[in-house]
Amino acid sequence: NAGVMQNPRHLVRRRGQEARLRCSPMKGHSHVYWYRQLPEEGLKFMVYLQKENIIDESGMPKERFSAEFPKEGPSILRIQQVVRGDSAAYFCASSPGSGVQETQYFGPGTRLLVL
Amino acid sequence: GNSVTQMEGPVTLSEEAFLTINCTYTATGYPSLFWYVQYPGEGLQLLLKATKADDKGSNKGFEATYRKETTSFHLEKGSVQVSDSAVYFCALLTTSGTYKYIFGTGTRLKVLA
Repeated sequence: NAGVMQNPRHLVRRRGQEARLRCSPMKGHSHVYWYRQLPEEGLKFMVYLQKENIIDESGMPKERFSAEFPKEGPSILRIQQVVRGDSAAYFCASSPGSGVQETQYFGPGTRLLVL
Repeated sequence: GNSVTQMEGPVTLSEEAFLTINCTYTATGYPSLFWYVQYPGEGLQLLLKATKADDKGSNKGFEATYRKETTSFHLEKGSVQVSDSAVYFCALLTTSGTYKYIFGTGTRLKVLA
């Protein structure tokens, strides 16, 4: 059973460009979470999605960031007009359901560098 | 609100030394508690977890006990190896609203041969 897949693993963008990060959850998992890790810091929750629905986006910056999890295909985290402060590692996690017993399984992350 | 506080690193130990990484939490309700490990350039791997008070999680020689009275979940290992060098994150899974992780800032462990 393949784990959570993320691509690309590394992404370099210039200021003002768009960044698209992809996440394929584990097979059988319908819940996806995105986290951001700034250098030398812990992970911060961004958004929680189920298929075709955003459940909780309380950690998402209000502008430039969006996320989707379509019926078919991977979840996408989109950052428009990137700035240097967006440079970070972005991790996706998935779980089969939601609940206090559910463990989230993490992908290897996408490391975004904004020049 | 919910929060997790970890001891600051880096922690440097000799091989076969005893390891303790402190973690305390503040939470509403009864969260599940986790330790994750991150090796250089990789994602987070679940190390162990505990879902209720007095539960002990254990894996690969690591242990942590969910202490409700002290709101703690300290990570311990009796004899560390060079291969244990990594960053360790303590986390809680919130039980109010949607279920999401709150992470500590991580503790870097370096084990010397």
